[in-house]
Amino acid sequence: AQSVTQLDSQVPVFEEAPVELRCNYSSSVSVYLFWYVQYPNQGLQLLLKYLSGSTLVESINGFEAEFNKSQTSFHLRKPSVHISDTAEYFCAVSLVGDDKIIFGKGTRLHILP
Amino acid sequence: EAGVAQSPRYKIIEKRQSVAFWCNPISGHATLYWYQQILGQGPKLLIQFQNNGVVDDSQLPKDRFSAERLKGVDSTLKIQPAKLEDSAVYLCASSSDILSGNTIYFGEGSWLTVV
Repeated sequence: AQSVTQLDSQVPVFEEAPVELRCNYSSSVSVYLFWYVQYPNQGLQLLLKYLSGSTLVESINGFEAEFNKSQTSFHLRKPSVHISDTAEYFCAVSLVGDDKIIFGKGTRLHILP
Repeated sequence: EAGVAQSPRYKIIEKRQSVAFWCNPISGHATLYWYQQILGQGPKLLIQFQNNGVVDDSQLPKDRFSAERLKGVDSTLKIQPAKLEDSAVYLCASSSDILSGNTIYFGEGSWLTVV
């Protein structure tokens, strides 16, 4: 069965600094990969997803993630964070041909002024 | 396009009482999910419906949790009797075709506190 590991439960970073949120998955077959964001007291929203094709995917608010098959990783990055990026970020995986999504435990991003 | 609607947003009950949560998915979405999100953890799938049939309920504590989607549209999740460890956010989600990589859309969640 597939699984997702988010190595950091919390990441503090200064405003306008770069950030990387790490995500590793395990699966013996092809996968789809997702990053979801959860702002305080809200539901989850899709940030970006990798289905196929280019291994670098981008979101409309400046985040990007790169699928690395050899390292089974899908790390999320942003070159310059803003206070509004304060949220919890969840990495998720589903097997190609399956309709279940498995979530990691989440990484809480703290933006320091 | 209206999103996934859930109610109530917040509920506080005593242990051993019962509670029900309602979800109306995005129009036309055949697949509906209920997830449980305990504080500090990622969402855990409780049950998945395809139209009005159950696809996966392997992680649903069936001695106290039940869910139905009678007409293949909206759904109800019930807990009876509730335990302290059921305190969590219950997220409903829907999708049209996850097999082709379509997105799962989440509601804002129903926050349950059991005291």
